[in-house]
Amino acid sequence: SSELTQDPTMSVALGQTVRITCQGDGLRNYFASWYQQKPGQAPVLVIYGKDNRPSGIPDRFSGSRSGDAASLTITGAQAEDEAEYYCNSRHSSGSHLVFGGGTKLTVL
Amino acid sequence: QVQLQESGPGLVKPSETLSLTCNVSGASITNSYWSWIRQPAGKGLEWIGRIYLGGNTNYNPSLKNRVTMSLDTSQTQFSMSLTSVTAADTAIYYCARVISSYYLGMPFWYFDLWGRGTLVTVSS
Repeated sequence: SSELTQDPTMSVALGQTVRITCQGDGLRNYFASWYQQKPGQAPVLVIYGKDNRPSGIPDRFSGSRSGDAASLTITGAQAEDEAEYYCNSRHSSGSHLVFGGGTKLTVL
Repeated sequence: QVQLQESGPGLVKPSETLSLTCNVSGASITNSYWSWIRQPAGKGLEWIGRIYLGGNTNYNPSLKNRVTMSLDTSQTQFSMSLTSVTAADTAIYYCARVISSYYLGMPFWYFDLWGRGTLVTVSS
């Protein structure tokens, strides 16, 4: 089991907004980063730090943090956003990095 | 353009040692942290560990007794070995670059570049 908890599946209607959440004690002290993974492909970084997007990531992706949770928000979801999303941060012990279990997002 | 490419045997026998190399092109290997991450078929990502300049390492406690990472600056590559493998170690193995930074005193890390991954199967 992962120390970072994510809902296994979520869905969003095309053009609507969805918030994917990651929860864990470590998030009280460390920011999360978020990765998008499509079938048969390597993960791609979409959000890091407070709310930073790498070059090439659409601005409909944003990040936030509150207490022991971090969130990835997609505002105006597109068909190409259908993918698995993983959060990553430091374990609450501070000793190592850990991934959340992943959220499979379906765009309806 | 920075690129990472994993290489290694696709098949390893149970109880043997799995060895993988990640070749880095377009970037200095001495200026960053580097990680290995794996993903069993149909499952999530698992962080294996990271290495940085000076050979300093940090491993996932669940694998700590079996994994070793190293840097070869002359070859601009880094490697990992995992001993006493079992079928549970069958996975796609990715190498990635790790960036470490701070915001208002709060640290964060992220994997900004990934290799395409290499499938390793543990089977006799």
